[in-house]
Order: sequence, then C-alpha cells, then structure tokens
Amino acid sequence: NAGVMQNPRHLVRRRGQEARLRCSPMKGHSHVYWYRQLPEEGLKFMVYLQKENIIDESGMPKERFSAEFPKEGPSILRIQQVVRGDSAAYFCASSPGTVWSLHFGNGTRLTVT
Amino acid sequence: DQQVKQNSPSLSVQEGRISILNCDYTNSMFDYFLWYKKYPAEGPTFLISISSIKDKNEDGRFTVFLNKSAKHLSLHIVPSQPGDSAVYFCAASAQGGSEKLVFGKGTKLTVNP
Repeated sequence: NAGVMQNPRHLVRRRGQEARLRCSPMKGHSHVYWYRQLPEEGLKFMVYLQKENIIDESGMPKERFSAEFPKEGPSILRIQQVVRGDSAAYFCASSPGTVWSLHFGNGTRLTVT
Repeated sequence: DQQVKQNSPSLSVQEGRISILNCDYTNSMFDYFLWYKKYPAEGPTFLISISSIKDKNEDGRFTVFLNKSAKHLSLHIVPSQPGDSAVYFCAASAQGGSEKLVFGKGTKLTVNP
C-alpha cells in the first residue's frame, strides 16, 4: 500500500523560474494538505484541498503561489517567479477525511539559486 | 506569533532512561494535540495524540500528558532506544473542524547507546 508520493524529491530552480511540486495521496484519500518547513522552523500550513476544490488557503502567500487537486492526477503546488526565500522543504499530507489521520510524504526540497 | 512552542531545541539521554519532551501552547481553542517523529530527509510520521478531554494517553513506550490549565503537554518515552533519535514535533488543532495543524519548531532527541 503505497504512501503519499511526492516528486521530485529535490528541485533546483534559478530565481525567476517556476517550480512545480507534485503530490499523489494515499489510495482512498481525498483530502490533501501542503505544509512548508523553512530551515530551523516547524512545519507551517499552506493549503488544504479536496478533489477540484480549495477548502482553506489561509497559509498560502498571496502572490506567486497556487495549488490544485484535479479530478484526475496528483495535486500540484506551483510557485511562479521563485525567490531565494522560497527555498524550503515542502511536505504534502493526505487523509481520508480528518486531520487526525494525516499521512505525510517525504517532501520536496526546493533550492532557489 | 508562535502558538505552539517547543522551547528545547535538543535533548540528549542515555539508552534505557526516560526522555521527556515538552510543548506549550497559547491558543485556548486547541482541543487536539499530536506528536510527530521525523527522521532526516523523511516526512513526519504520526506517533501519538491526545484529545483535550483526556489528560493522559499511552501507547507502548510512549505516553502523552496534557495539562490544560497550564497549556502544557509532554511526551514521555520509556525506555529510550537509539532508534528513537529523531526530531519530535508537537502539533495542535482547534475545535470547530479546523483542518490545519499548528506545529512547534521541534526538539531533536539523541539517545546515546
């Protein structure tokens, strides 16, 4: 039973480029969450999605960041025109319906040069 | 504004002894608390949780204690094993169906053989 799959594991982008991070939830899970971990910090909530719907995006920066979870395919976190401050580990988590049973992926480490 | 605080960045204990990791919170709306364990280059994995209607929850070597009046919880690991060496994150969720977890910055536990 595959866990939450994130790819790529490592992503290097130059300032101004776009970053696309993908997350495939566990089988049977229809709720996806994205968290970001800056160096020496805890994980910070970014966005919560269900299939084709953004439920809570209160943790998303207002500009350059977007997320989707289409009917078919993985959830995508998209960062446009990346800056050095976007360098972080981005974790995706999924659950069957409640936050009490979150399963995290191994993260994507984004480095902006 | 850090709502969940783990004031000890690191903790070192001897194998076989007790490890006590502490967590304080400020938001009185939090009613569910979780501990996650994280190894380097991996995602957090769920360890144990506690609802605000309880003051103790036990699972094998792991026990979480909650003191609501002090807004404090702790994780006890007895006996500690070298494989327990990891970063431990405390997380909290608010009532009303909030679907986001608020994490502390983590405590790095090292268990020495």
